[in-house]
Amino acid sequence: NAGVTQTPKFRILKIGQSMTLQCAQDMNHNYMYWYRQDPGMGLKLIYYSVGAGITDKGEVPNGYNVSRSTTEDFPLRLELAAPSQTSVYFCASRSQGGGEKLFFGSGTQLSVL
Amino acid sequence: AQKITQTQPGMFVQEKEAVTLDCTYDTSDQSYGLFWYKQPSSGEMIFLIYQGSYDEQNATEGRYSLNFQKARKSANLVISASQLGDSAMYFCAMTSGSARQLTFGSGTQLTVLP
Repeated sequence: NAGVTQTPKFRILKIGQSMTLQCAQDMNHNYMYWYRQDPGMGLKLIYYSVGAGITDKGEVPNGYNVSRSTTEDFPLRLELAAPSQTSVYFCASRSQGGGEKLFFGSGTQLSVL
Repeated sequence: AQKITQTQPGMFVQEKEAVTLDCTYDTSDQSYGLFWYKQPSSGEMIFLIYQGSYDEQNATEGRYSLNFQKARKSANLVISASQLGDSAMYFCAMTSGSARQLTFGSGTQLTVLP
């Protein structure tokens, strides 16, 4: 029962570097989401997708890009990393018509130095 | 826009006692969902309980119950018989939009004292 899998779990980047956070789910969920959580704060929505080929911006999309070429995968791309992007990143998914509950991945701790 | 307000940054409760964590929300939608998630120090997000806006009964899940007062736009979490393992950050959240994305509050750090 893999659920939502995020990789890597930890990463340190230098300012200006780029990276991709991976997210995969094996539950055939249509909806997928990327959130960030700054220390001591709640989660804020970065991007979301309602199905393969369809993505849209959330509350804090600047500095990020996403793609959704398959139902299973929803990678988050950071271009030109900045210290303000130091955060914990959560991927989540849910099914369409299967209830409101979100299934979360275990998170990626990212530090930009 | 949707907004979730949690006014208690930190709460303390004695083991085996009940505790209420406050949550108020603001939305113009008629259909919405309210959630509580637990985040222990290990960092994962654990689903606790869900209440739909049209549900007439308050939701319950074991020791967790959601005190839903629609007219007051509040969705407080009640934990009965607190346990040491309940010490964690608790987030109230609400679904919104066509993709039912969650909007989170700032959280309440609960500490259970032995």
